[in-house]
Amino acid sequence: EVQLVESGGGLVKPGGSLRLSCAASGFTFSNAWMSWVRQAPGKGLEWVGRIKSKTDGGTTDYAAPVKGRFTISRDDSKNTLYLQMNSLKTEDTAVYYCTTETSYYYMDVWGKGTTVTVSS
Amino acid sequence: SYELTQPPSVSVSPGQTARITCSGDALPKQYAYWYQQKPGQAPVLVIYKDSERPSGIPERFSGSSSGTTVTLTISGVQAEDEADYYCQSADSTHVVFGGGTKLTVL
Repeated sequence: EVQLVESGGGLVKPGGSLRLSCAASGFTFSNAWMSWVRQAPGKGLEWVGRIKSKTDGGTTDYAAPVKGRFTISRDDSKNTLYLQMNSLKTEDTAVYYCTTETSYYYMDVWGKGTTVTVSS
Repeated sequence: SYELTQPPSVSVSPGQTARITCSGDALPKQYAYWYQQKPGQAPVLVIYKDSERPSGIPERFSGSSSGTTVTLTISGVQAEDEADYYCQSADSTHVVFGGGTKLTVL
């Protein structure tokens, strides 16, 4: 069974940092494009960014609101995806979902999400 | 930046047909995708590449495309279909979501 399990969420002060992890199982992680999608309380879905598989260059892309502050990385030996979030703002408060992303740029498998709250 | 526009809400009685639209300038050139999200749950893909249905998704869910508008159609709506629905496409390499439509089953 394909499974994505996020962890690392919590409460952090504005300007702080947090690293989210996503443990993958049930598929060949190293071949997968992986993404993060977030959802602020009561709001819609917002794509955060993606990392391609190493065979497709391992490149990253980010949404404008997080570019320069967030970094997506992967450890294929551990089947784990990461989201390093720096210079956090209150508007980054959201549930963060880990997803697999196809080469057609859509998300086909989603984790259950982890909650990040940025507040003083 | 590229935007996808959905109606905030759609209401339908059980057994009727619900249609949720999504408009965007790039939709004639890019595929659209649809996700269903129930309260407290992660989204689930219900339509991909405009009109394809993933395995396990009921046949009452269908998608279509015409010009700058794509439509998710739910035929014979059931109470369990009450949820938020999001369209999604891509602007070059960036993923874009619509604002979401709340489907209420009366």
